[in-house]
Amino acid sequence: DVKVTQSSRYLVKRTGEKVFLECVQDMDHENMFWYRQDPGLGLRLIYFSYDVKMKEKGDIPEGYSVSREKKERFSLILESASTNQTSMYLCASMRTSGYYEQYFGPGTRLTVT
Amino acid sequence: AQSVSQHNHHVILSEAASLELGCNYSYGGTVNLFWYVQYPGQHLQLLLKYFSGDPLVKGIKGFEAEFIKSKFSFNLRKPSVQWSDTAEYFCAVNEGGGADGLTFGKGTHLIIQP
Repeated sequence: DVKVTQSSRYLVKRTGEKVFLECVQDMDHENMFWYRQDPGLGLRLIYFSYDVKMKEKGDIPEGYSVSREKKERFSLILESASTNQTSMYLCASMRTSGYYEQYFGPGTRLTVT
Repeated sequence: AQSVSQHNHHVILSEAASLELGCNYSYGGTVNLFWYVQYPGQHLQLLLKYFSGDPLVKGIKGFEAEFIKSKFSFNLRKPSVQWSDTAEYFCAVNEGGGADGLTFGKGTHLIIQP
């Protein structure tokens, strides 16, 4: 079974802090994704990565950056956290060949106060 | 840009009732279609998927969905729901042949009353 893990289930940070959310997958998938999930809005794509050191903007990249130094790890960075970034953050991974099924991690619920 | 519409944001049914959740997408080309489910306190998991072939696809837990290309629809169905089907359901799409992220609908919160 594919396993996608996220470093924290719950996180509380202050406005202006730099925040790192970590995601690790164990199936050697080439593609990794960060989404945020908000009630009534569904999931929205923030950034994704096809390969190590590669990144692509999703639908809502403003206020975020990402880092992918190793194939199995994809980090989401909030340079200066703001209250409107309070949300559930979901990481996913997917292999390139075959069917494009994404596997999701358990999520990190971030609260910015 | 693609968009996905889920018609019902909240649905309440009694056990044994039949379920149909609507999903429409906007992209006119080849698409891959998915239904994901999120049970309370659990992570998102795949219910079923359509890539090509038979437009009627069967997933886990007795769910099925039908792809109707002419209607840009991918509705989720279950003939008889159970209390354990209480969850949030998301329809998602990406362009066929692409490895980009998914575009999700806003979700349907399904509550099954015993």
